[in-house]
Amino acid sequence: GIQVEQSPPDLILQEGANSTLRCNFSDSVNNLQWFHQNPWGQLINLFYIPSGTKQNGRLSATTVATERYSLLYISSSQTTDSGVYFCAVEGLGNQGGKLIFGQGTELSVKP
Amino acid sequence: KAGVTQTPRYLIKTRGQQVTLSCSPISGHRSVSWYQQTPGQGLQFLFEYFSETQRNKGNFPGRFSGRQFSNSRSEMNVSTLELGDSALYLCASSFGQVGQYFGPGTRLTVL
Repeated sequence: GIQVEQSPPDLILQEGANSTLRCNFSDSVNNLQWFHQNPWGQLINLFYIPSGTKQNGRLSATTVATERYSLLYISSSQTTDSGVYFCAVEGLGNQGGKLIFGQGTELSVKP
Repeated sequence: KAGVTQTPRYLIKTRGQQVTLSCSPISGHRSVSWYQQTPGQGLQFLFEYFSETQRNKGNFPGRFSGRQFSNSRSEMNVSTLELGDSALYLCASSFGQVGQYFGPGTRLTVL
């Protein structure tokens, strides 16, 4: 099955710094999503981005499907950005509704 | 629109018991997927239902089962609970190619 690898596993930043999180996947995909897991465990949708580039405020994401990777950019980080960021993909030919998650990047933003 | 809701939010059971978790999708969403999150295994796909039919199933034992009702609400059941079933159980709903939206989760503790 598809393998999803995220890097780095951990990241510590000072407030105001920028960061780039990476997601590599091993096969072609129908769907790629980025999530932020809040301290209570809920997965918050950041981007649905199987290809191309999207921006939402201080966050942006780029997926290069032909090279099988996606990047999540966080600019001017804030303490509220802390938490775990997950990349998840749905493979081609998937029968439906199955996301395969990476192990996550744990981000800590210090004031 | 209201988001995905899950009940109960927290649950404590003892080994050997069974448990039923409930998920109400976003209005109009017909696909519901279930995931298990543990510190050791990360986020893993359990199964997906669409129009009351299980379309996809992950690699979990038969003690894990689910169903979907005509109003798209879904339940999952775990029988003969084991200590290793302690986890955060997340459900997600989707409609078309816009990605999955997650509920707040049910945190199950097995003693």
